[in-house]
Amino acid sequence: NAGVTQTPKFQVLKTGQSMTLQCAQDMNHEYMSWYRQDPGMGLRLIHYSVGAGITDQGEVPNGYNVSRSTTEDFPLRLLSAAPSQTSVYFCASSPSTGQKPYEQYFGPGTRLTVT
Amino acid sequence: GDSVTQMEGPVTLSEEAFLTINCTYTATGYPSLFWYVQYPGEGLQLLLKATKADDKGSNKGFEATYRKETTSFHLEKGSVQVSDSAVYFCALNNFNKFYFGSGTKLNVKP
Repeated sequence: NAGVTQTPKFQVLKTGQSMTLQCAQDMNHEYMSWYRQDPGMGLRLIHYSVGAGITDQGEVPNGYNVSRSTTEDFPLRLLSAAPSQTSVYFCASSPSTGQKPYEQYFGPGTRLTVT
Repeated sequence: GDSVTQMEGPVTLSEEAFLTINCTYTATGYPSLFWYVQYPGEGLQLLLKATKADDKGSNKGFEATYRKETTSFHLEKGSVQVSDSAVYFCALNNFNKFYFGSGTKLNVKP
């Protein structure tokens, strides 16, 4: 198992550009999520999905879009990059038991800089 | 809304010292609670979890007990090692959403 993979590892964007951060998992997990990690603020949930075709917003969804067309993939799209989106982005997945997802498995992260 | 508060760091200890990192939470209902660890340049790894009140999670010498009456989930280890140096995050899961504390950096000196 590769676990949770993220690409790219590093990215520099100019303000106003768009891009997609890729996330894939090979563990057949139902639940997937995206976080951003900023110094002193821990991780904040951007969007999450409880299964293919189902997505919902987290704490900080503005400026980001997601879709979940397959169980394996959960891409995060930045529509028009802003310097405030400079951060480290983590994707995570979790098996779900009934209504509760349990422990999450994290990808290695993508470090994004917007100039 | 739901939230997690944990003690600020950094925490600096000598090898074999006792460790406590405090974590309290605010949540409706019955959240699950977690401790994650992050080593430099890596993603988070689950350290331990507890899914209901009075559960004790444990792993690699670390322990935490889910205390509903004090809404706490403090992390403890009896004797830390240099290899425990990392950032530790307390987290809760409630209604399909995860909330993380701001992280506590632990430095262990030989």
